[in-house]
Amino acid sequence: SQTIHQWPATLVQPVGSPLSLECTVEGTSNPNLYWYRQAAGRGLQLLFYSVGIGQISSEVPQNLSASRPQDRQFILSSKKLLLSDSGFYLCAVGGRRDSPLHFGNGTRLTVT
Amino acid sequence: QKEVEQNSGPLSVPEGAIASLNCTYSDRGSQSFFWYRQYSGKSPELIMSIYSNGDKEDGRFTAQLNKASQYVSLLIRDSQPSDSATYLCAVNSGTYKYIFGTGTRLKVLA
Repeated sequence: SQTIHQWPATLVQPVGSPLSLECTVEGTSNPNLYWYRQAAGRGLQLLFYSVGIGQISSEVPQNLSASRPQDRQFILSSKKLLLSDSGFYLCAVGGRRDSPLHFGNGTRLTVT
Repeated sequence: QKEVEQNSGPLSVPEGAIASLNCTYSDRGSQSFFWYRQYSGKSPELIMSIYSNGDKEDGRFTAQLNKASQYVSLLIRDSQPSDSATYLCAVNSGTYKYIFGTGTRLKVLA
């Protein structure tokens, strides 16, 4: 079975600082990878998804970017954080297009 | 804009009762439907997947899908206080994108 590693679990960063969140997956090959964000009391917002190494689709134009340097590694980055970037960031893994997503434990980011 | 709508709740039910959670979606081309449970401060965990019209049962959970009416529901029988959580409905239209509702908060009263 697959395992999804996300770190760190919590992060407090000042406005204007950079960000790097990492997600790695074990137990599966060539997964579809996703970054979602959940603001306090809100639903899940799809940020990026990737169907292969170096292939990134962006859903929401903003100051975030994503990269997939290896098959089972997905990185979310920002050069300068905004207050509105605070939220719960979730990495998810999918297989076939009709299969469900499975989520990592998430990173709770607070921008101060 | 493809949408998935859920009543935010909270939905309060007494222990042992049936909890009924509903979800409607706008994209008629949607093919796959999922229910997730999310405890406060935790990530969503998959409860059920359903792909065809009708009912699908798994233990105390039953998912119901009606594509003609564009709704999917989740029934929880013999509700327990441990079922208190937010339940998210998710829809996939055969692409790589999964659209989530904002969730229904369920409170099971002991």
